[in-house]
Amino acid sequence: EAGVAQSPRYKIIEKRQSVAFWCNPISGHATLYWYQQILGQGPKLLIQFQNNGVVDDSQLPKDRFSAERLKGVDSTLKIQPAKLEDSAVYLCASSTSGTHISYEQYFGPGTRLTVT
Amino acid sequence: AQSVTQLGSHVSVSEGALVLLRCNYSSSVPPYLFWYVQYPNQGLQLLLKYTTGATLVKGINGFEAEFKKSETSFHLTKPSAHMSDAAEYFCAVSLGGGSNYKLTFGKGTLLTVNP
Repeated sequence: EAGVAQSPRYKIIEKRQSVAFWCNPISGHATLYWYQQILGQGPKLLIQFQNNGVVDDSQLPKDRFSAERLKGVDSTLKIQPAKLEDSAVYLCASSTSGTHISYEQYFGPGTRLTVT
Repeated sequence: AQSVTQLGSHVSVSEGALVLLRCNYSSSVPPYLFWYVQYPNQGLQLLLKYTTGATLVKGINGFEAEFKKSETSFHLTKPSAHMSDAAEYFCAVSLGGGSNYKLTFGKGTLLTVNP
C-alpha cells in the first residue's frame, strides 16, 4: 500500500513570495491533516479535512495560509505572502476517519520550507 | 486545554542500555495518549497508543509505555537500546470527540544511541 505522498520535498523562497505544497493521501482515507513543524518543536495542526469539508482550521493563519481538498482526495496548502517565521516542515497526514480515536494517522515525509 | 511536556530534549544512551523517555500531560478529562517516532527526513510513525483498558501498552520495535493517571505520566521505555532506535520521539495527547480527534504534540526528545 502506497503511503502519503508529498511534494516538493524541499523549497526555498524569499519572503513575500508565494508557495504551494501538495499532498496525496493513502487511497480511501477520508480524513486529511496539515501540520506545521517548526525546528525544535512538535507538529502543530493547521487544518483538518473530512472528505472535502473543513473540520478544524482554528490554528490556520487565514490571512496568509489557505488549503483546499478538491474531490476529497488530493490537497494543496498555500502560503501567500510568506514570512520568515513560516520556515518549517509541513507534514500531511491521513486516516480512514477522524471520528474515532482508534484510527491511526499516517504521515507523509514532509516538505521543508526555508524562507529567506 | 490539553498539553504535553516532554522532559529532556535530548537523551543519550549506550547500545544495550535501558531507554526511558518521559512524558507528562495536562488534561481535565481522561486523555488518549500516543508516542510517535520520527527518523531523519521522514514523517512520523505511530509507536503505540493508550485509549482505554490496560494501562501498560506495548508497541512496535520493543517499546512500551505505562499510563499513570495519578502521576499524569505516559513514559516510554525499552529494555535494551539498539542503534536503529536513534530518532526523535514525540508524545501526543488527544481529547477530541465527535468528528475531530485532534493531536497535541510535545516538543520532542532526540534519542542518541552510542556504540
